[in-house]
Amino acid sequence: TQLLEQSPQFLSIQEGENLTVYCNSSSVFSSLQWYRQEPGEGPVLLVTVVTGGEVKKLKRLTFQFGDARKDSSLHITAAQPGDTGLYLCAGNRVYNQGGKLIFGQGTELSVKP
Amino acid sequence: DAGITQSPRHKVTETGTPVTLRCHQTENHRYMYWYRQDPGHGLRLIHYSYGVKDTDKGEVSDGYSVSRSKTEDFLLTLESATSSQTSVYFCAISMSTGVPSEQYFGPGTRLTVT
Repeated sequence: TQLLEQSPQFLSIQEGENLTVYCNSSSVFSSLQWYRQEPGEGPVLLVTVVTGGEVKKLKRLTFQFGDARKDSSLHITAAQPGDTGLYLCAGNRVYNQGGKLIFGQGTELSVKP
Repeated sequence: DAGITQSPRHKVTETGTPVTLRCHQTENHRYMYWYRQDPGHGLRLIHYSYGVKDTDKGEVSDGYSVSRSKTEDFLLTLESATSSQTSVYFCAISMSTGVPSEQYFGPGTRLTVT
């Protein structure tokens, strides 16, 4: 059983469309991070959200942490081919030990020109 | 980019042989982690280290051991490789374990066990 469930797992869209990726759990997290990974490379940190209800924007990407700190979403406006990649959410559980992160399964995004 | 390198980047080995993967950092970060990545599973923690000679197990540690004799190096050893250990292995570093614990990843090692 995955502690952090991401949906959808695969997403193929046309350039210019909007999309939302969800990261859900029944557990409370003290913080949640989003990473983006390109083929053959390691994940790269995009953003960290810490406060329930927090919204952060990174150009066309909007990240939200749920009020109860059990879920998060990533919304991309007007997707571009350069947004193609694997998006991973990861969380620090409450009473975190050793800074360990729990990862979701990932959402593979393909944006076609 | 965080100064993290992994070696080798690719390796093919036979079942039953020992394999050691190396992670090297130039950031002098205290905390280091080894993950494996498999389709449909995201990243799963194998072992982590919170200082020289201080290590602990993650969620998928069976069949793996680690060592950290210097701050900059964290070694992952597969004692007797099995086909189920075919995977992509990532090393990560972190400055702290406080909230949030932000981790920075190396480029990965693709291991194939035949």
